[in-house]
Amino acid sequence: GQQLNQSPQSMFIQEGEDVSMNCTSSSIFNTWLWYKQDPGEGPVLLIALYKAGELTSNGRLTAQFGITRKDSFLNISASIPSDVGIYFCAGQNFGNEKLTFGTGTRLTIIP
Amino acid sequence: DAGITQSPRYKITETGRQVTLMCHQTWSHSYMFWYRQDLGHGLRLIYYSAAADITDKGEVPDGYVVSRSKTENFPLTLESATRSQTSVYFCASSAYLEAFFGQGTRLTVV
Repeated sequence: GQQLNQSPQSMFIQEGEDVSMNCTSSSIFNTWLWYKQDPGEGPVLLIALYKAGELTSNGRLTAQFGITRKDSFLNISASIPSDVGIYFCAGQNFGNEKLTFGTGTRLTIIP
Repeated sequence: DAGITQSPRYKITETGRQVTLMCHQTWSHSYMFWYRQDLGHGLRLIYYSAAADITDKGEVPDGYVVSRSKTENFPLTLESATRSQTSVYFCASSAYLEAFFGQGTRLTVV
C-alpha cells in the first residue's frame, strides 16, 4: 500500500521560532492535507491542498503541494505555546475519501 | 449534540474477549472510517464505509469486524481481542474531502 514518510519525527523549539516539516510518498496523491492533533483529542484539519504546486496559507501556517505530487511541506511561523501537538500529513486520491496518514511530527515548545 | 461521538472513551478488556467500539455521527456524512493510532505508525486505516451497507477493508483489517446498517452508526468489533490490539481507536466521518474525527477510544487488552 501507499506509505507516507514524515520528517522530522519530533521537534523541540523555543517560542517564536519558525517550524518546517515535510511529508513524502512512494506514489502520487491528488490531494494533500495537514492535520493537527492535540493531546487526548482527534486530529483536526488545518490545510487542504488540491493542485500540484499550490501554496496555501491559514494564519501562521503555510503548506505546499509538491510539483511531483509525491510530497508536501508545512511551515509554521512564529510558534506559540498552543502550536504544541502532533502534526499529520495525509494523502487522498480522487473517487475515494479515505485518507492515508503519515507517521506524524510531534512539536514541543521549550520554555 | 451535533458531531461525531465515540464510546466508550476508555476500555480495558481481557485477551480473547469480544469488544465493540461505538461511533455515531449526526451530519449524515456518507463516508465513515476507523483508524488505530500507535506510536511510530501514525494513523492506520482499519475499515471504512462509503454508505450504509457498504464497507471495505483498509490497511490493517485482520481481527476486526464492522457493520453499517444505518448511516449514522459505524461500530467496530474485535472478535477475540489480542494484546497487539491495544491502541487508541479513532472514528471519523467525511464529506467533500474533509474528515472529522471523534475523540478516540483508548483500548487496553490485558
